[in-house]
Amino acid sequence: QQQVKQSPQSLIVQKGGISIINCAYENTAFDYFPWYQQFPGKGPALLIAIRPDVSEKKEGRFTISFNKSAKQFSLHIMDSQPGDSATYFCAASQETSGSRLTFGEGTQLTVNP
Amino acid sequence: DTAVSQTPKYLVTQMGNDKSIKCEQNLGHDTMYWYKQDSKKFLKIMFSYNNKELIINETVPNRFSPKSPDKAHLNLHINSLELGDSAVYFCASSPWSAGQDTQYFGPGTRLTVL
Repeated sequence: QQQVKQSPQSLIVQKGGISIINCAYENTAFDYFPWYQQFPGKGPALLIAIRPDVSEKKEGRFTISFNKSAKQFSLHIMDSQPGDSATYFCAASQETSGSRLTFGEGTQLTVNP
Repeated sequence: DTAVSQTPKYLVTQMGNDKSIKCEQNLGHDTMYWYKQDSKKFLKIMFSYNNKELIINETVPNRFSPKSPDKAHLNLHINSLELGDSAVYFCASSPWSAGQDTQYFGPGTRLTVL
């Protein structure tokens, strides 16, 4: 049972463009939504996270938009750079389940120079 | 300083063998995890320990047995390896299990079963 669905599977963007990755979840008890970034040969690393009490969170060029009623959240990467080329995972968890993260399927982002 | 380290980085072995992967974290975290990343890059939690106590045990074949000798170490032992066990295994740690804190991942161990 896949509780977090992520799209697209792969994304190619030109340098300077906007990259948008979308996730949808089923479990309304989820209350923490992080995004992880993974470079080839490395482990995932936390990029940015949001809780459902806000609709948007911005850190530098990275923004999470959250729509609680639609059970969707998305990552926007402004002014995408070749160094942003990586696999991005959305995830979700609920406080009552402790630290159990449910990951989306991942999006392979390629930013062309 | 490496925060979460795993050994070995690569492991190639024959079907039916038994192997172990070791993980150590020097972050002082209470909680450690094992994840499996398959060939399609899907990440799935396998186990989680908090202060040496098992708190998450997903539906994983009992050929997989985690062991936590202390809260800084979480090892994964796999018996009777099968072809389908080929994957990248990641260890991770976080400050505590009740909160929703950043999980810090190790570099991964790529296991290939021939």
